Amino acid sequence: DIQMTQSPSSLSASVGERITITCRASQGIRNDLGWFQQKPGEAPKRLIYAASNLQSGVPSRFSGSGSGTEFTLTISSLQPEDFATYYCLQHNSYPLTFGGGTKVGIK
Amino acid sequence: EVQLVESGGGLVQPGGSLRLSCVGSGFIFSDPYMDWVRQAPGKGPEWIGRIRNKVNSYTTEYVASVKGRFTILRDDSQNSLHLQMNSLKTEDTAVYYCSRGYSTVGSTTLDYWGQGTVVTVSS
Repeated sequence: DIQMTQSPSSLSASVGERITITCRASQGIRNDLGWFQQKPGEAPKRLIYAASNLQSGVPSRFSGSGSGTEFTLTISSLQPEDFATYYCLQHNSYPLTFGGGTKVGIK
Repeated sequence: EVQLVESGGGLVQPGGSLRLSCVGSGFIFSDPYMDWVRQAPGKGPEWIGRIRNKVNSYTTEYVASVKGRFTILRDDSQNSLHLQMNSLKTEDTAVYYCSRGYSTVGSTTLDYWGQGTVVTVSS
């Protein structure tokens, strides 16, 4: 199975700050990676697909980059509604696997 | 608008069975592969399985922890997806979500999720 190592596991940031979350795959996955946001009591919501493509309707402050084994999710200017938990997902090979999550809290 | 609605969750004893359902609308249900994902309390999501479309003979994939116990089925005539869960264990307690999987038309992998249905395995 491909292991997805996500870091940090949590962070505290202020509104307006730029934050970056990293996911590292245990083997190359090309760009078969998505990023998801989850708020308490809700289903995960896809933000980014194919590593760097913005899901329709998602604000442009979200961006993704990377290929192979190293991927990043960046929020350019954190907004109050962005405080949530973020997960990466690889879908290059079975079983699909998620990263451990990054909880973004308010500083 | 794409919608997925799960049902069938509940309380079941260890060793018991449960069948979850998911009805899709707002897209050509028969086209994409369909996935099930679960999330145990306080944990991250876990992908548990996929069923391909008719063109790919409705073949399935499962994560090791459910293989042999869970079966994914689909009925394209009813726009429905099912998860038959047998020999349930306490560690199967989770919210279960259905989602769209791979499609040849656009990048649909886990793009839309249902609201989830809660399964509790306890004596």
